[in-house]
Amino acid sequence: RKEVEQDPGPFNVPEGATVAFNCTYSNSASQSFFWYRQDCRKEPKLLMSVYSSGNEDGRFTAQLNRASQYISLLIRDSKLSDSATYLCVVIPFSGGYNKLIFGAGTRLAVHP
Amino acid sequence: NAGVTQTPKFQVLKTGQSMTLQCAQDMNHNSMYWYRQDPGMGLRLIYYSASEGTTDKGEVPNGYNVSRLNKREFSLRLESAAPSQTSVYFCASSAFSGTGSGYTFGSGTRLTVV
Repeated sequence: RKEVEQDPGPFNVPEGATVAFNCTYSNSASQSFFWYRQDCRKEPKLLMSVYSSGNEDGRFTAQLNRASQYISLLIRDSKLSDSATYLCVVIPFSGGYNKLIFGAGTRLAVHP
Repeated sequence: NAGVTQTPKFQVLKTGQSMTLQCAQDMNHNSMYWYRQDPGMGLRLIYYSASEGTTDKGEVPNGYNVSRLNKREFSLRLESAAPSQTSVYFCASSAFSGTGSGYTFGSGTRLTVV
């Protein structure tokens, strides 16, 4: 089982739609969670951190469910510019170096 | 612009050839990393350097070596390239290791080994 799993998609949605992605992680002791965005043939960039209480940044809402070991990303009022691959990132507790574990990503395509 | 600079952007190698991927950051970050990204897989850590003067193996170190030349520069060397090393390579840096939120990535090197 992969340490971080994501539905690869693609999610094809019209502009203005609301779309949600989930990401599951296997290590129950994981301590930090993030969403990164990666445009086609570009480098990943941090979208937002995910806090235990949930957090919002404009049209983006991230939530953490420790009991079920998943994090989610909700995008409201999708824009064409939201088309990208969204990477789930988890830092498992290791007692040493805090290695980032990347999911393979979920691809989002927003169409007119 | 401040950030992480990788060279080259593209490279084609023949099996058995060697090459060095260069990475430099100008953000005064302590930690630097090399990842590879393959289709259908997440970024996988090859090597990292938590601070100047130290390097450690990541998840997939076989076939690679690294050098933390100074605080700014972290190079990745393929001594004898194999087709399995065809991938996109990303260098990244962060102020401190394992913080997750402060990673800055370079634009990547697309390597093909034939």
